[in-house]
Amino acid sequence: GEDVEQSLFLSVREGDSSVINCTYTDSSSTYLYWYKQEPGAGLQLLTYIFSNMDMKQDQRLTVLLNKKDKHLSLRIADTQTGDSAIYFCAASETSYDKVIFGPGTSLSVIP
Amino acid sequence: DAGITQSPRHKVTETGTPVTLRCHQTENHRYMYWYRQDPGHGLRLIHYSYGVKDTDKGEVSDGYSVSRSKTEDFLLTLESATSSQTSVYFCAIRGQGKGYGYTFGSGTRLTVV
Repeated sequence: GEDVEQSLFLSVREGDSSVINCTYTDSSSTYLYWYKQEPGAGLQLLTYIFSNMDMKQDQRLTVLLNKKDKHLSLRIADTQTGDSAIYFCAASETSYDKVIFGPGTSLSVIP
Repeated sequence: DAGITQSPRHKVTETGTPVTLRCHQTENHRYMYWYRQDPGHGLRLIHYSYGVKDTDKGEVSDGYSVSRSKTEDFLLTLESATSSQTSVYFCAIRGQGKGYGYTFGSGTRLTVV
């Protein structure tokens, strides 16, 4: 089955760019997601990309997909202290199948 | 998200007692999911539903059962709670919007003592 991997921790200075990386194993994954979880809260969908896309930009967020290497990244430009959270990469083969989550990357932003 | 609510938000229960967690949605989505979140394990799927009375097991279903008698409600029951079921439980719904991504509830923090 699908397995999603991420580094567990990332620390950046306020104002710098953050890049969170993710790899997945199932080349059939068509729907790829980034979620954000703040302390004590549920997961919030940040952005998504379909496997027929290479890049997606949404304000400060840029998602890059390398389908050949099964590698997904999330870049946050001008990182702010409010971006401190856990970021989950997730993948799904279909629009109704279960979504598989990575372990989450804890992003710390240093003022 | 206003379209999905979980209750209760917090619960402390004793080992061996049955516990039911409720997930309620107002989006009329067909697909609903129960996950648990534990340190070091991330999110793991317990059970999911693809329609009224249609449910299936996830990767960590032992000790849990679910029911869905109405589109809007998905119940998770711990038949006889154990300390290993102490966790944060999240319900999610999936619809056409947002790239078919999940919308999560706020979670239920369950402690089994």
